[in-house]
Amino acid sequence: AQSVTQPDIHITVSEGASLELRCNYSYGATPYLFWYVQSPGQGLQLLLKYFSGDTLVQGIKGFEAEFKRSQSSFNLRKPSVHWSDAAEYFCAVGAPAAGNKLTFGGGTRVLVKP
Amino acid sequence: GAVVSQHPSWVICKSGTSVKIECRSLDFQATTMFWYRQFPKQSLMLMATSNEGSKATYEQGVEKDKFLINHASLTLSTLTVTSAHPEDSSFYICSARTGTEAFFGQGTRLTVV
Repeated sequence: AQSVTQPDIHITVSEGASLELRCNYSYGATPYLFWYVQSPGQGLQLLLKYFSGDTLVQGIKGFEAEFKRSQSSFNLRKPSVHWSDAAEYFCAVGAPAAGNKLTFGGGTRVLVKP
Repeated sequence: GAVVSQHPSWVICKSGTSVKIECRSLDFQATTMFWYRQFPKQSLMLMATSNEGSKATYEQGVEKDKFLINHASLTLSTLTVTSAHPEDSSFYICSARTGTEAFFGQGTRLTVV
């Protein structure tokens, strides 16, 4: 069965600074990987996804993520954070062999300081 | 992107009553929909996978008689929390899959008093 670990529960970053959120997964084959963002009391919005091909994926809102098979990681980055980026971020792995069921990491809450 | 509408966005009900939550894919057909539960400050836990025209597949530990799922059409799935109790209070989120991508509803905050 697949699993996802987001080691950082909280991250505080200053506005304008760079942001990196860590995600490690466990899956027997090449997974589908996703990053979602959730604002308080809201559903999830897809930031980006990786299925195959180029391991550096560009997403919306200036986010990017890099798939590193050797490290089983799919870390999310943004060069310059805006106050509106304060939210909860979830990494998820989809298992093609299991009907693309998504398994989510525990989430990382990002706080942005002025 | 595709839009998934979830209704209601919040509901308060008395203990012992049942509550129905609807999940609709507005501009695409979804053969598969998923229902998640999210406790405060926690991640999403998959409750069940709903396939149009067939019985839902529940995850281990989820009571299928308590959480009734119906996927009557390619654009609508419903989750009914039967005989709700305070411990059922939570945030419920649906998602609908098209191809390899899943789109999420806005969630329903259920409070049982």
